[in-house]
Amino acid sequence: RKEVEQDPGPFNVPEGATVAFNCTYSNSASQSFFWYRQDCRKEPKLLMSVYSSGNEDGRFTAQLNRASQYISLLIRDSKLSDSATYLCVVPGTSYGKLTFGQGTILTVHP
Amino acid sequence: DGGITQSPKYLFRKEGQNVTLSCEQNLNHDAMYWYRQDPGQGLRLIYYSQIVNDFQKGDIAEGYSVSREKKESFPLTVTSAQKNPTAFYLCASSIQGENTEAFFGQGTRLTVV
Repeated sequence: RKEVEQDPGPFNVPEGATVAFNCTYSNSASQSFFWYRQDCRKEPKLLMSVYSSGNEDGRFTAQLNRASQYISLLIRDSKLSDSATYLCVVPGTSYGKLTFGQGTILTVHP
Repeated sequence: DGGITQSPKYLFRKEGQNVTLSCEQNLNHDAMYWYRQDPGQGLRLIYYSQIVNDFQKGDIAEGYSVSREKKESFPLTVTSAQKNPTAFYLCASSIQGENTEAFFGQGTRLTVV
């Protein structure tokens, strides 16, 4: 299994839809996980951190399943402004190494 | 304002030349990272450093070199040995440890001409 692997996407959804992305990881010792958002030709910015079973912030919910070694990001009531690439991040097998997934492209259309 | 600064934003290099990308942070972070991003792809780790005067190779270190002489600075040199250097380069920093978020600079877009 790759260190971090995301749903290939792209996801094209209408405004108001609910969409979910998954990210699997190989390092069972990982304690914390992150979802980043990246707009076109910009740097990634932190969207959510996940330290225990999950985290919720408004329309966004991140969940962690340690048994199956995956994290998910759920976006409810999608907005046009949610269109971006979503990257999951997992600490790697070496101390201090942060490994990114390949990203999932989301396009929300009117 | 605290932050992480990369320069230049755009860089053009002739084949066979070495070029150095700058990354400076005033967040007092111990850890710094360099990533490369190709179009439509995720970030791949080139080098990372957890402390001054120490750094480790990431997944794609060949053709790159770094130094960490100061806590604030982590320059990346793209050498002529890197066969396909055209990419978007991102520098990041974080508090030392695995459970903290990374903050990114705005990136340097390198093009070989």
